[in-house]
Amino acid sequence: DQQVKQNSPSLSVQEGRISILNCDYTNSMFDYFLWYKKYPAEGPTFLISISSIKDKNEDGRFTVFLNKSAKHLSLHIVPSQPGDSAVYFCAARDTGNQFYFGTGTSLTVIP
Amino acid sequence: GAVVSQHPSRVICKSGTSVKIECRSLDFQATTMFWYRQFPKQSLMLMATSNEGSKATYEQGVEKDKFLINHASLTLSTLTVTSAHPEDSSFYICSARDPRETEAFFGQGTRLTVV
Repeated sequence: DQQVKQNSPSLSVQEGRISILNCDYTNSMFDYFLWYKKYPAEGPTFLISISSIKDKNEDGRFTVFLNKSAKHLSLHIVPSQPGDSAVYFCAARDTGNQFYFGTGTSLTVIP
Repeated sequence: GAVVSQHPSRVICKSGTSVKIECRSLDFQATTMFWYRQFPKQSLMLMATSNEGSKATYEQGVEKDKFLINHASLTLSTLTVTSAHPEDSSFYICSARDPRETEAFFGQGTRLTVV
């Protein structure tokens, strides 16, 4: 049973525009949510996280929004750059420190 | 940030042989490490949780006799693919969480090709 879901397998955005990646989860006990970026043949790298007690966290061009009532989080990248093209994984951590990953969204930023 | 090193990054082996993949936490002690497998165009699939000093916890459907995990120290976990078959060819990734940090850190991954 997939506890973290990313329903969009791919997304294409023009350079300079905003990229919005979405993620839904089912477990209300998750205490941290994270986004990872992954290039082909490499391990994922941490991008940004948000605690379940917050609704927004911003780091440069990256902002993560959390809507606990909807069990939904999103990653906004603005402005999008060609180097942002990668697969983005949403992850959630439960109170036992177990991480659950979404299926990933492949972002392509078109120059 | 914390660094997790995985070795080798790429390995090719013959069917029936065994391959060992190492995962090291370089600047922190990890009592728990995780092993994932990624098939082409698919998400990361958690295979097992490696616990220092005790037996690994395997996810449903993962053969523990085929994927041997050893976590002998607080900075090293190994995954051994025994009697490898072509269908074991995949990208294997380890991760560990620095207790001082929120996020988990990932190794660089190992591309295993069984011929």
